Amino acid sequence: GAGVSQTPSNKVTEKGKYVELRCDPISGHTALYWYRQSLGQGPEFLIYFQGTGAADDSGLPNDRFFAVRPEGSVSTLKIQRTERGDSAVYLCASSATQGHVLTFGAGSRLTVL
Amino acid sequence: RKEVEQDPGPFNVPEGATVAFNCTYSNSASQSFFWYRQDCRKEPKLLMSVYSSGNEDGRFTAQLNRASQYISLLIRDSKLSDSATYLCVVKGSNQGGKLIFGQGTELSVKP
Repeated sequence: GAGVSQTPSNKVTEKGKYVELRCDPISGHTALYWYRQSLGQGPEFLIYFQGTGAADDSGLPNDRFFAVRPEGSVSTLKIQRTERGDSAVYLCASSATQGHVLTFGAGSRLTVL
Repeated sequence: RKEVEQDPGPFNVPEGATVAFNCTYSNSASQSFFWYRQDCRKEPKLLMSVYSSGNEDGRFTAQLNRASQYISLLIRDSKLSDSATYLCVVKGSNQGGKLIFGQGTELSVKP
């Protein structure tokens, strides 16, 4: 596609529920990144993929968070047993090569009540 | 200590002013450096890459000092449209592509 597409743009859920956030990167971009951003803070690294594999998942805060990219294109960030502290904007970005310039999607705003 | 640290904001400046943002990074083996701009409630967008020799793009000048592990961004002749948050970004020292963002510095340019 022309840009990075993220769905949903907004998600409100209750504490304890399961959430999936989807990212559709720019066509042909091999690297895909997930960040989360809280108000007044910079984007916090979660995980990045090179192709289908997770090249670095050191930013995932705990085992409730998991991400996949089974065909090397679309990625899904999965959050189990959501907590209020998970509320943030989850940003996805892609780049033609790892570590190069990132193009971000508009983000998915998650609110956990 | 955070891997990438920036000047706390906000910076409030009049139109036409020159403003400088500073950023320090902790890992001396870091390889690539960038400045991103983020407008309120929008996604970050690349402003410019930062090269060892320093580089300029119109009113914007970026500099890198590897010895001091310091990056700067200078904006000359500020415009109202420059109001945004400026994010310093550093590529990690490993062989991979992890990009680490600073907390951002907010700039507000007033008429």
